[in-house]
Amino acid sequence: GAVVSQHPSRVICKSGTSVKIECRSLDFQATTMFWYRQFPKQSLMLMATSNEGSKATYEQGVEKDKFLINHASLTLSTLTVTSAHPEDSSFYICSASHIGPPEETQYFGPGTRLLVL
Amino acid sequence: AQKVTQAQTEISVVEKEDVTLDCVYETRDTTYYLFWYKQPPSGELVFLIRRNSFDEQNEISGRYSWNFQKSTSSFNFTITASQVVDSAVYFCALSEAGAGGTSYGKLTFGQGTILTVHP
Repeated sequence: GAVVSQHPSRVICKSGTSVKIECRSLDFQATTMFWYRQFPKQSLMLMATSNEGSKATYEQGVEKDKFLINHASLTLSTLTVTSAHPEDSSFYICSASHIGPPEETQYFGPGTRLLVL
Repeated sequence: AQKVTQAQTEISVVEKEDVTLDCVYETRDTTYYLFWYKQPPSGELVFLIRRNSFDEQNEISGRYSWNFQKSTSSFNFTITASQVVDSAVYFCALSEAGAGGTSYGKLTFGQGTILTVHP
């Protein structure tokens, strides 16, 4: 079946540094990818919708200059957390829309745990 | 605006008991999709089911069953004869129809229900 990978799976960084998270659809082309954030013991909250070749659409309250999204190809979207701070520590999950066959669905990546010290 | 409510924050059962996880949703769309996902401690989301708004048939898959009722805007999930491996966080989610002919748009998740199945 379709697979979505994320890299790295976990990252620890110092406050003020930037971190790039990659989301790849391994065996299908994804015109749309989504980025979610999940704080401990909370739900997933959509951050932005990423379409190949165009600017990402951010949800209300998400700083586009802080969370840079690049969807350069049909199989890769990247999320860069710029000047990360401890409050950015979270679990970041991407998903990719797969048109099919056999049917349309959305596949989630395994997530990236970010810890900012 | 879309909203998904999972009123049960935590449920604890003993193995072999049946358990139902409730999900109530709000949307103004006539076309939408409902999902259930399982999130084990590893964090990875496991897809369980997708249902579109025009298909109210209940579904059974092994020990899992789902009851979709548009009249009450509910999409409840029942695990029969629960097992310890069922312990996880379960999320109900709602998706608007996607753009450009796709079925799926962004997902709105409920708060999740932590299910603990004791041996």
